[in-house]
Amino acid sequence: NAGVTQTPKFQVLKTGQSMTLQCAQDMNHNSMYWYRQDPGMGLRLIYYSASEGTTDKGEVPNGYNVSRLNKREFSLRLESAAPSQTSVYFCASRIPNTLWDTEAFFGQGTRLTVV
Amino acid sequence: AQSVTQLGSHVSVSEGALVLLRCNYSSSVPPYLFWYVQYPNQGLQLLLKYTTGATLVKGINGFEAEFKKSETSFHLTKPSAHMSDAAEYFCAVSEGGMEYGNKLVFGAGTILRVKS
Repeated sequence: NAGVTQTPKFQVLKTGQSMTLQCAQDMNHNSMYWYRQDPGMGLRLIYYSASEGTTDKGEVPNGYNVSRLNKREFSLRLESAAPSQTSVYFCASRIPNTLWDTEAFFGQGTRLTVV
Repeated sequence: AQSVTQLGSHVSVSEGALVLLRCNYSSSVPPYLFWYVQYPNQGLQLLLKYTTGATLVKGINGFEAEFKKSETSFHLTKPSAHMSDAAEYFCAVSEGGMEYGNKLVFGAGTILRVKS
């Protein structure tokens, strides 16, 4: 059981280049999330998808786009990378419920450097 | 909208001493609360969670947390620190299920250092 799989693990981009971070989960979870982690700032929510077919902005969506391709996959795209987007990106998934809640399961992260 | 404040970006304790990591939350509805741990160069691992019921929650590795609604707090404790507890700890809040949009928001994190 792979859980949440992110690709790539490492990436170096030049300013202005574009790329897509891929995330897939095999736990049949409804909700998926993209976070960025920067020193001293914790995990900040970029975008999330409550369920297949829906996406919503989080705290720091500028410069990013997402696609919930199907229930398993949730990709994050940088259209024109900037040095400020140098960060570690985490994908997560969970099954939220009104009566009880489950924790989020995280991928191992993508370390992105924009030069 | 929900938010999380973790007091103290760095906490240092001696091995065998009490660990106390503070978390206060803001939520317009009854929250679901989580503590995660992150070891260097790894992803996040759940320590414990509060959804409903008993307000004192026990987690892995001897950690526990108490939900105090009146104080809007969910502080993490461990009676006796071990060197292997050195890591970064994150508190998170969710405002429930599908009807609340399923946002899951994290605090800025607290780095725990354990001295021998």
